[in-house]
Amino acid sequence: GAGVSQSPRYKVAKRGQDVALRCDPISGHVSLFWYQQALGQGPEFLTYFQNEAQLDKSGLPSDRFFAERPEGSVSTLKIQRTQQEDSAVYLCASSFIIDSYEQYFGPGTRLTVT
Amino acid sequence: QQQVKQSPQSLIVQKGGISIINCAYENTAFDYFPWYQQFPGKGPALLIAIRPDVSEKKEGRFTISFNKSAKQFSLHIMDSQPGDSATYFCAATGPPGTYKYIFGTGTRLKVLA
Repeated sequence: GAGVSQSPRYKVAKRGQDVALRCDPISGHVSLFWYQQALGQGPEFLTYFQNEAQLDKSGLPSDRFFAERPEGSVSTLKIQRTQQEDSAVYLCASSFIIDSYEQYFGPGTRLTVT
Repeated sequence: QQQVKQSPQSLIVQKGGISIINCAYENTAFDYFPWYQQFPGKGPALLIAIRPDVSEKKEGRFTISFNKSAKQFSLHIMDSQPGDSATYFCAATGPPGTYKYIFGTGTRLKVLA
């Protein structure tokens, strides 16, 4: 596809459920990022992959958050035992080359935990 | 030191006017400063970006002004149009080898027809 795609676009989970959010980056993009955007706020960094290697996970808020990119393309962000404070839009971004700062964002997945 | 402070929080401009949004940072290691535009229900879209070795960059109606000594940068939207109504985020990243963005809190711009 032409851009970064994310699925599902909307997810409602009951507190305590596990969720998995998918990101398909732009074809050929080496770097992949996850951000969390709370309502009315700017995105906040969660984690970064270069190909299949997770090089920075300093933004993951707790050990309930886990991300993977096993083949260096599609990535999944998993949240275990969801809590109400996890409600946010989860954005994925990709970047073409390792030294490029330009990040291209997907439409996001809006997660609501009830 | 990792924060990027953005102002104003909201802005109303008449059609044809100039919209100005400001950002300030503390970390002198930052070396790339993009601006993103976000419409409701959409992801942020890259508008324009600047590196600290230049003081101004212009692309169409969008201009970034950069003041390295003051650690401030701003976005100017000339001839603002109703279609520019969106939320704008500044961001910063760096030094080389660090790629995560630190975003400002956003400015909600409304351009009146």
